[in-house]
Amino acid sequence: KQEVTQIPAALSVPEGENLVLNCSFTDSAIYNLQWFRQDPGKGLTSLLLIQSSQREQTSGRLNASLDKSSGRSTLYIAASQPGDSATYLCAVTSGTYKYIFGTGTRLKVLA
Amino acid sequence: NAGVTQTPKFQVLKTGQSMTLQCAQDMNHNSMYWYRQDPGMGLRLIYYSASEGTTDKGEVPNGYNVSRLNKREFSLRLESAAPSQTSVYFCASSEALGEHQFFGPGTRLTVL
Repeated sequence: KQEVTQIPAALSVPEGENLVLNCSFTDSAIYNLQWFRQDPGKGLTSLLLIQSSQREQTSGRLNASLDKSSGRSTLYIAASQPGDSATYLCAVTSGTYKYIFGTGTRLKVLA
Repeated sequence: NAGVTQTPKFQVLKTGQSMTLQCAQDMNHNSMYWYRQDPGMGLRLIYYSASEGTTDKGEVPNGYNVSRLNKREFSLRLESAAPSQTSVYFCASSEALGEHQFFGPGTRLTVL
């Protein structure tokens, strides 16, 4: 059974710092991996989707990498800002095409 | 272009009552999903619909039923609500199964 883990559960950093969020999964036979952002009391906003054949995706200050063989993905946020404060979730799909979510990393960027 | 909309935003039920959560999308997506989000548990898939006319169970389907009314709408019904169903419910859609998912704002449900 696919399991998705995100460590750490919470992270506080000063504004301007570059940071890395981690996502690991137990079954490397994935179809794709998606990173989401969730603000308190809100729905999920999709950030990046990486297909299993890809190694990374970039959008603005965000870069997501995927290493299927080791069961890991990282979300790199450059020059963090207070507006980046949110919970970041990763989710993977496998052969059943259903998403399995991690429990998220709660990020706080201090001004 | 509203994306994915959900009604109601909040609901309080008594144990044993029934209700239907509504979801609609205007992106012409084929696949739709219902999730619940509980503290410390992440999001868990309740039911999904790969395309109009089909529905399948997800990870936690017990106590729920769904209807894919048409391509736009996917409803979730609680026939006899239980306190364990207190949660935040999210609807999502994607062009096809496993593709980029777009989420609604959620329904916060409390069962007393």
